[in-house]
Amino acid sequence: AQSVTQLGSHVSVSEGALVLLRCNYSSSVPPYLFWYVQYPNQGLQLLLKYTSAATLVKGINGFEAEFKKSETSFHLTKPSAHMSDAAEYFCAVRINNNDMRFGAGTRLTVKP
Amino acid sequence: GAVVSQHPSWVICKSGTSVKIECRSLDFQATTMFWYRQFPKQSLMLMATSNEGSKATYEQGVEKDKFLINHASLTLSTLTVTSAHPEDSSFYICSARSSRGDQPQHFGDGTRLSIL
Repeated sequence: AQSVTQLGSHVSVSEGALVLLRCNYSSSVPPYLFWYVQYPNQGLQLLLKYTSAATLVKGINGFEAEFKKSETSFHLTKPSAHMSDAAEYFCAVRINNNDMRFGAGTRLTVKP
Repeated sequence: GAVVSQHPSWVICKSGTSVKIECRSLDFQATTMFWYRQFPKQSLMLMATSNEGSKATYEQGVEKDKFLINHASLTLSTLTVTSAHPEDSSFYICSARSSRGDQPQHFGDGTRLSIL
């Protein structure tokens, strides 16, 4: 079975500080991994995806994530937070053509 | 990039009425579409998965007679909430993807359903 765990339901950083949102997955086979962002009253927007190519994946808006098989992690980072980054972030995993499973989400707050 | 259009974005209606929500993939063939429900400050809850031309597969606890899903073409799926009641009020989000396993799901902007 595949599942994903996001550590920390709420992360608060200052503007300009490093953003680190944690995601760990469980899967018996190599997974496809995704990060999505959701702004209020909107659907989910894809930030980046890992599909077994490079382990360091760069996405939109300056975000990137690194796939670490030994740690079964796919943490999302951004060197310098911007006020517009405040949103809900979801990590997701999919095995082959099965449906996607989402983490519980992490709300990012950016303080001025 | 791939775009999924969901309509309407906001619905307010009386208890007992039926509401139809449309989900369209605008620039790719969506062999699989998903319908999610999201409660405030919570993650997405998968309601059902539908493959074009087949009956939808519902998650445990989701009433198939209450939430009718039709996926008649590779670009359109509809969710009809039948005889809606206040407890059906929620944020509904559709998602679509092509047949390739490494492709992400693309999401619509969601429909806010309020039943009075």
